[in-house]
Amino acid sequence: SQQGEEDPQALSIQEGENATMNCSYKTSINNLQWYRQNSGRGLVHLILIRSNEREKHSGRLRVTLDTSKKSSSLLITASRAADTASYFCATDAVGTGGFKTIFGAGTRLFVKA
Amino acid sequence: GAGVSQSPSNKVTEKGKDVELRCDPISGHTALYWYRQRLGQGLEFLIYFQGNSAPDKSGLPSDRFSAERTGESVSTLTIQRTQQEDSAVYLCASSLSAGGPYNEQFFGPGTRLTVL
Repeated sequence: SQQGEEDPQALSIQEGENATMNCSYKTSINNLQWYRQNSGRGLVHLILIRSNEREKHSGRLRVTLDTSKKSSSLLITASRAADTASYFCATDAVGTGGFKTIFGAGTRLFVKA
Repeated sequence: GAGVSQSPSNKVTEKGKDVELRCDPISGHTALYWYRQRLGQGLEFLIYFQGNSAPDKSGLPSDRFSAERTGESVSTLTIQRTQQEDSAVYLCASSLSAGGPYNEQFFGPGTRLTVL
């Protein structure tokens, strides 16, 4: 079954507003990552947070990780029209079948200028 | 430096034909991954290669799918007797290693496969 699941499925905001996306997962993980995908640049890595970290920042991005709740959030502050894209969380885990990176279905963010 | 490259960028084939997709990872990356993405959906993990270790094939959708990698270089994903349900974008990624703190994956542009 799919490991990571994002919500909301779609989000529409005005430029300048903040956008928050959430991700839940089911099993123990090594890392959790967030990726962005748009038609222009393909799939791009945004940030990686290790299982022993709780919060990480990168520019306008803030990621939190709560391993007790098996959830993560991605906050984009002061959004721009160029942030319009699909955002995916991905979890790295080692199970009985070996190593896997599992992507969620994604949140489609639309930032209106 | 060069990123991950994939070829062909687009492939249209007839049902029942075999196709071969190619991935050139970033030089020095020991881990290589294949994913499938259907329209409007997330990425489905297919297989990964780590160094010279034997890959775990349990993520491949059926026995029509196979993948190979020569050392730490080029990988090919082969789909035999293609079906319409195989239509998707196939993405390849590479990383310095698998599962550790350096597991940022760099993705190629993908191969869009259409099975008629």
